[in-house]
Amino acid sequence: NAGVTQTPKFRILKIGQSMTLQCTQDMNHNYMYWYRQDPGMGLKLIYYSVGAGITDKGEVPNGYNVSRSTTEDFPLRLELAAPSQTSVYFCASSYQDTMSGELFFGEGSRLTVL
Amino acid sequence: GENVEQHPSTLSVQEGDSAVIKCTYSDSASNYFPWYKQELGKRPQLIIDIRSNVGEKKDQRIAVTLNKTAKHFSLHITETQPEDSAVYFCAAANQAGTALIFGKGTTLSVSS
Repeated sequence: NAGVTQTPKFRILKIGQSMTLQCTQDMNHNYMYWYRQDPGMGLKLIYYSVGAGITDKGEVPNGYNVSRSTTEDFPLRLELAAPSQTSVYFCASSYQDTMSGELFFGEGSRLTVL
Repeated sequence: GENVEQHPSTLSVQEGDSAVIKCTYSDSASNYFPWYKQELGKRPQLIIDIRSNVGEKKDQRIAVTLNKTAKHFSLHITETQPEDSAVYFCAAANQAGTALIFGKGTTLSVSS
């Protein structure tokens, strides 16, 4: 199993550009998440999904959109990139709900907005 | 919603010493508290977790304690080694129990 795979690993965007961070998992996990990590700020939850067709906002959803059309894929869309979105983004998945299931993280995607 | 506070933000110890990291949470309904370790440039990985029906859990040199009344839990690392150097995150479930809310992290440095 590849686990959780994120692409791209690195990306530089200009202000106002759009892009999609891809995330796919091959563990048949129901739950998927997007977090962003900024220095000294920990991991902030952007969006999450408890199954195909269901998505929910996390702590910092503004400026992002997600979709969950399949169990495997959970892409994160940035519509109008801003410097404040410069961050490392982690996708994660878990089989059960977070009250009992380990989160498996991808390797992260480092995004810079200039 | 759930809020998780973590202290200290940085911690430096000598090899062989113990290290303690403390977290508090706001939602009394939370009942699952994991700890993740993130080495430099790597992804976070689960190292230990505890559920609200127990007060302490140990796994070799690491242990976690939970005080539900006070709404705080702690990570204890004994006999620290240089490879313990990393960022440690505590977490608690959100109100719906569907996602984890993380603390801001503690950077642990173990010097030999």
